[in-house]
Amino acid sequence: DTAVSQTPKYLVTQMGNDKSIKCEQNLGHDTMYWYKQDSKKFLKIMFSYNNKELIINETVPNRFSPKSPDKAHLNLHINSLELGDSAVYFCASSRGLGSGANVLTFGAGSRLTVL
Amino acid sequence: AQSVAQPEDQVNVAEGNPLTVKCTYSVSGNPYLFWYVQYPNRGLQFLLKYITGDNLVKGSYGFEAEFNKSQTSFHLKKPSALVSDSALYFCAVSALNTDKLIFGTGTRLQVFP
Repeated sequence: DTAVSQTPKYLVTQMGNDKSIKCEQNLGHDTMYWYKQDSKKFLKIMFSYNNKELIINETVPNRFSPKSPDKAHLNLHINSLELGDSAVYFCASSRGLGSGANVLTFGAGSRLTVL
Repeated sequence: AQSVAQPEDQVNVAEGNPLTVKCTYSVSGNPYLFWYVQYPNRGLQFLLKYITGDNLVKGSYGFEAEFNKSQTSFHLKKPSALVSDSALYFCAVSALNTDKLIFGTGTRLQVFP
């Protein structure tokens, strides 16, 4: 059973399009995250949700909008895609909130290529 | 602000030799430090963490890390490298009172047969 699953695994699209990436976790965790890994493998947090509430919102363009319908799901919608959005997007989850000590479980990633 | 630095882009080691992947940190207060590993086309996997207590932390796959407060370091080590250890390794620190992980730039470990 996959603990954190993301779909799609690969996404190729044209500039200006709108796309979504879905994430689901079956670990019973309370907190979910989106991280972006660029072409140099640098990882940076984008968003964090705890029990469907937005907790962390880094300096991310408004074109990126996360949605959490329930605590097991965190989707990422991107409007008006740009070349610079090409990256691998990782979903992650953790138990609890705010201790700083929680281990994150990552999904396998969704590689987005914008042409 | 919390940050970690991984000074080496790549570490090469022969199979059977000991390996070290370096990490230094800069934090306010007590650090919560982590190591994660990323295999090709996979997500990150947790290896080990330091929260408090013993400075030598043991983790998955025979890895360990030593927390050194005076040198602000948290180097990852393994006594005997395997070819299958070849991967990208990330050091990370938690931001204060959150589960926001701040990652280093990653170190690619290549173990040669």
